[in-house]
Amino acid sequence: GIQVEQSPPDLILQEGANSTLRCNFSDSVNNLQWFHQNPWGQLINLFYIPSGTKQNGRLSATTVATERYSLLYISSSQTTDSGVYFCAVPLTGGGNKLTFGTGTQLKVEL
Amino acid sequence: EAQVTQNPRYLITVTGKKLTVTCSQNMNHEYMSWYRQDPGLGLRQIYYSMNVEVTDKGDVPEGYKVSRKEKRNFPLILESPSPNQTSLYFCASSRHRDSQQPQHFGDGTRLSIL
Repeated sequence: GIQVEQSPPDLILQEGANSTLRCNFSDSVNNLQWFHQNPWGQLINLFYIPSGTKQNGRLSATTVATERYSLLYISSSQTTDSGVYFCAVPLTGGGNKLTFGTGTQLKVEL
Repeated sequence: EAQVTQNPRYLITVTGKKLTVTCSQNMNHEYMSWYRQDPGLGLRQIYYSMNVEVTDKGDVPEGYKVSRKEKRNFPLILESPSPNQTSLYFCASSRHRDSQQPQHFGDGTRLSIL
């Protein structure tokens, strides 16, 4: 099946810093989503981004499907950004079952 | 507001006592599914449903049942829960099974089976 790897696995930032999270996938996909899992366990939809670039406030994402990667940018980080960030792609030929990446654990400190 | 609602959010129970986790979506989505999340194993699909009365097994269906009698509801049933089913559970929905459709997740249900 498709492999989805994220980097870095862990990241500690000072509040106000910027960061880039990366998601690599092993096969071509027609859908990619970014999620934030907050400390309470909730999975929050950030972006649905099969290709191109999208922005939502301090967050933006870019997917280059032909090169099989996606990037999530966090600018001016805040403590509420802490948690785990996942990218997820659908299984090829498997309907809409998502394969989740390994996650990036982010901690933003004051 | 478009949402996927799971209940309960937290539950501590004992081995063998049947339980149901409800899931409801208000977006008229055809596709619904259940995942469980475990440390080191990530999120794994338990069951999915492509429409009313159409359900199928995911990657880890053992010990679970589901039903889809109405489009909006997709309950997860543990007939005889065991400690290895202690986990964080998520219900998800999308417009239909086309993989180009984004999925929407509920807030999660944390189950502890003693």
